[in-house]
Amino acid sequence: QSALTQPASVSGSPGQSITISCTGTSSDVGGYNYVSWYQQHPGKAPKLMIYDVSNRPSGVSNRFSGSKSGNTASLTISGLQAEDEADYYCSSYTSSSTNVFGTGTKVTVL
Amino acid sequence: EVQLVQSGAEVKKPGESLKISCKGSGYSFTSYWIGWVRQMPGKGLEWMGIIYPGDSDTRYSPSFQGQVTISADKSISTAYLQWSSLKASDTAMYYCARFMELVGTGYYFDYWGQGTLVTVSS
Repeated sequence: QSALTQPASVSGSPGQSITISCTGTSSDVGGYNYVSWYQQHPGKAPKLMIYDVSNRPSGVSNRFSGSKSGNTASLTISGLQAEDEADYYCSSYTSSSTNVFGTGTKVTVL
Repeated sequence: EVQLVQSGAEVKKPGESLKISCKGSGYSFTSYWIGWVRQMPGKGLEWMGIIYPGDSDTRYSPSFQGQVTISADKSISTAYLQWSSLKASDTAMYYCARFMELVGTGYYFDYWGQGTLVTVSS
């Protein structure tokens, strides 16, 4: 199975909103409402930010939101802050009963 | 508090075997899947596979099937990732993580270990 496609980089100024896309197929993103998003700061373990397309775990800021349309899922970060600068990865359940990660997106706060 | 504590960094030669570990605490180890994720230097995350310690049911990503072995010892709440013959291309950070799989909701990693760096070099 191929990695889900994400833009390599996205940037924004403090206070702005940015959106990261995650494109798959009908065998993964499009076929299930089981997309999750992870934040990874340099040298750190990933952290779950969104699960089941749009649900936030306890403790995650409501500035992070998720959505899905067809074979593409999206993560939106509103009110961008310096601490949001990190790598972000999407992941989806697949028809093979496994999961697959996206290619990753580096978010830069200008 | 849910915690996953991984074994320390390893330096190995090509052809050697290796088994790294991940000890879970703060939750019922046998009631949740636990999985492994590879991150090669400067690269993205790769989903390797998961195991259900309750009955040792295991699923592998096609990319890793036959390349590694995932196992668990529920008596000591520990999961393992094993190689029989390492290659230089196995050099990476390996993370274990608890995997949520529930009918109607789930299929994501919610708690992560700190990572184990494996270096394979002659």
